[in-house]
Amino acid sequence: AQSVTQPDIHITVSEGASLELRCNYSYGATPYLFWYVQSPGQGLQLLLKYFSGDTLVQGIKGFEAEFKRSQSSFNLRKPSVHWSDAAEYFCAVASSGSARQLTFGSGTQLTVLP
Amino acid sequence: GAGVSQSPSNKVTEKGKDVELRCDPISGHTALYWYRQSLGQGLEFLIYFQGNSAPDKSGLPSDRFSAERTGGSVSTLTIQRTQQEDSAVYLCASRMGTGGDIQYFGAGTRLSVL
Repeated sequence: AQSVTQPDIHITVSEGASLELRCNYSYGATPYLFWYVQSPGQGLQLLLKYFSGDTLVQGIKGFEAEFKRSQSSFNLRKPSVHWSDAAEYFCAVASSGSARQLTFGSGTQLTVLP
Repeated sequence: GAGVSQSPSNKVTEKGKDVELRCDPISGHTALYWYRQSLGQGLEFLIYFQGNSAPDKSGLPSDRFSAERTGGSVSTLTIQRTQQEDSAVYLCASRMGTGGDIQYFGAGTRLSVL
């Protein structure tokens, strides 16, 4: 069965600092990978996705992620964090077949210090 | 509509009562999902609808949970004889279907069972 691990429950960074959120997945085939962000009281907003091709993908709000098959990782990065980036971040993998239901990691809560 | 709409946004109920949660997907999206987000279990897949096909109910935690989708659009998630462990945020997502790989999420319904 597929699974996603986000080893960092909580990360604190200063505004303007760089950010990397870790994600490791377990999946038998080429995975469909996603990063979503959730602000308090809101649903999940898609930041970026990887299906195939270029392993470095760009997303919204200045985020990027790199797919590394050898490490089974899909880490999210941002060169300079803004206070508005404070939120919870979820990595997810989609199942194969037509259903494509998502299996999520446990999330990483990001706090941004002024 | 412009996005996935869920109602109510908050629901407080007493243990043992039945509740119904509603989801209006994005117009034209044929795939619809329900997920549950709880403190103990994180984000879990519940059920998936695709067009007129039989739903994938593999994620439903017990037979107290059921869902239907009328006319291929609006979906209702019903929880019978609610228990305290049902307290969670219930998220709905829709996807275009064939050729569409991104799930768009609603803001969720926060269910509190007293």
